[in-house]
Amino acid sequence: AQSVTQPDIHITVSEGASLELRCNYSYGATPYLFWYVQSPGQGLQLLLKYFSGDTLVQGIKGFEAEFKRSQSSFNLRKPSVHWSDAAEYFCAVGANNDMRFGAGTRLTVKP
Amino acid sequence: DTGVSQDPRHKITKRGQNVTFRCDPISEHNRLYWYRQTLGQGPEFLTYFQNEAQLEKSRLLSDRFSAERPKGSFSTLEIQRTEQGDSAMYLCASSLGTVSFYGYTFGSGTRLTVV
Repeated sequence: AQSVTQPDIHITVSEGASLELRCNYSYGATPYLFWYVQSPGQGLQLLLKYFSGDTLVQGIKGFEAEFKRSQSSFNLRKPSVHWSDAAEYFCAVGANNDMRFGAGTRLTVKP
Repeated sequence: DTGVSQDPRHKITKRGQNVTFRCDPISEHNRLYWYRQTLGQGPEFLTYFQNEAQLEKSRLLSDRFSAERPKGSFSTLEIQRTEQGDSAMYLCASSLGTVSFYGYTFGSGTRLTVV
């Protein structure tokens, strides 16, 4: 069965600093991987997804993620964080019929 | 197309009451999913429909929970005899086809508080 681990519950970065959010997955076959962002009281918005091919995936809002099969990881990165990026971030692994989410990482941005 | 709509946004109910939530997916999406999200956790899969057929249910979906999608368009999720442990955000999502390829589009959720 697929599962996702996000080791960091909460991360604080200064505005303008770089960001990396960690995600490790467990899945028996080729994984389909996603990153979502959730603002307080809102649903989840898709940032980016990986299916195959280039292991560096570009998403919306300046985010990117890199798939590393050898490490079973799919870490999310952004070179320069903006105050509006403060939110909860969820990594997910998808199969044909459903998607399993990690517990999330809450991002706080300091001015 | 306005995306996935959920109604109501918030619901406060007394323990033991029944509640019903509605989800309107993106019109051309044939798959519809319900998830539950508790504070500090990621969404947990409850059930999904392909058109009007309910194809999978999680063990989290106890006998007090029932979901329908009668005409393959909107869906309802009913919780009978609510308990305080049912307090959560209930998220609906839809997809054009297999999740692995298309991913989900989520609604804004219904926050349920059982008092």
